[in-house]
Parts: sequence; structure tokens; C-alpha cells
Amino acid sequence: KNEVEQSPQNLTAQEGEFITINCSYSVGISALHWLQQHPGGGIVSLFMLSSGKKKHGRLIATINIQEKHSSLHITASHPRDSAVYICAVTFSGSARQLTFGSGTQLTVLP
Amino acid sequence: EPEVTQTPSHQVTQMGQEVILRCVPISNHLYFYWYRQILGQKVEFLVSFYNNEISEKSEIFDDQFSVERPDGSNFTLKIRSTKLEDSAMYFCASSLAGTQETQYFGPGTRLLVL
Repeated sequence: KNEVEQSPQNLTAQEGEFITINCSYSVGISALHWLQQHPGGGIVSLFMLSSGKKKHGRLIATINIQEKHSSLHITASHPRDSAVYICAVTFSGSARQLTFGSGTQLTVLP
Repeated sequence: EPEVTQTPSHQVTQMGQEVILRCVPISNHLYFYWYRQILGQKVEFLVSFYNNEISEKSEIFDDQFSVERPDGSNFTLKIRSTKLEDSAMYFCASSLAGTQETQYFGPGTRLLVL
């Protein structure tokens, strides 16, 4: 079965800490997305990547296709980064359908 | 910045009633999607739509669901006879192209079936 696993499920950090959230998937993909979901429920796309690394501000996303693994890093974390971070993939052979991980609840304390 | 909009933001309905959830995708986007998230669970894919027809659908998207693009701007999800288990947040999304394009999500419609 095509699955997406995230870890950790919950993460609490102090402001300023470097944060890493991990995502692994079971079979080949054509793209991987990192999304942010705020307490009100809205979903914002952070990154879409199929290889290598992308950076936007304090956020960095990496992917290792051979190991079927991706990481989302947040440098100099801030309380406003508190949200659920979700990994979602488009499996090869499934043209556009996103399969979602269960999310990582991040809380950054001041 | 263009965004996906959804109406209503909240809907309460009785079991067995029909509901229509509405979405206005970003204007130059070509692919449209519906997802749902039952409270406390993962987001799940329902259906994708391109060129006025369903492109992909999940097992969840059975005969009680249908989608339509009735005009050049709206994209709707209809649930014919709602069940208690249809209570969820429903998200619409759109993208310029398909597989390797960012999907832009609307704010969601929270549906409660009583």
C-alpha cells in the first residue's frame, strides 16, 4: 500500500531552536509537497520538490529519492511557526492525487 | 495575490439532505481538486478534475458524490444524500498543471451532518 509516514507526531521547541521534521514514503514518487496547516484549518503550500533541496526564508526542504525520505528544517524557530506541518506525495502512476502524512504538530514556546 | 475561495465556510445539514460546496479556483489554473479531512485525521484525496471531466477519483468518491464546473469560474462538490460520516472539512485546491505543480488550497468548508 502506498503510504506516507511522518515523524515526530508532536514537537515542542524553544524559540530559536533548529527544527527537523521527517517524512518517508513507501514507493516511487513524482513529487513531494510540504504543507502548513494553521489552527483554523487552512492549508498553505510551503514547498514542492522532486529532487535536491529548496530554501525559502528560514525554511529548508530536502529530499533523497533513493532513500525515499524528505526533511523539513526550520532555522531560528519562532512562536509564529507553531502549526501542523504535513508531508504529501504524488506517487508515480497516480497522476495528481496527493497522499498525505498524518502531520507533525509543532509548538514553539517563547 | 490570487487565491482559491470556498463557500460556505460552515454548513450544518440533516442526514439524508443534499449539500453543494462551492469553490472558485485561481483563474488561470487548469486542474481542480477536492480533499476532505475528518476531525483529527489525515487529509484525504477525493477527486481531481481537468478539461471538464474527472481525471482521478479515490475510493471515497462513490456515487453519492459528484463534481461540476457549471461556468467558467465555479467548481462544485455535491453530496447527494449526506451521512453522519460525511462530517469533515472539505478543501478545494487548484493548480496550473498537473503532477509537478504546486496545489493552492482554499480555506475549507466545515460540514456537519446531524
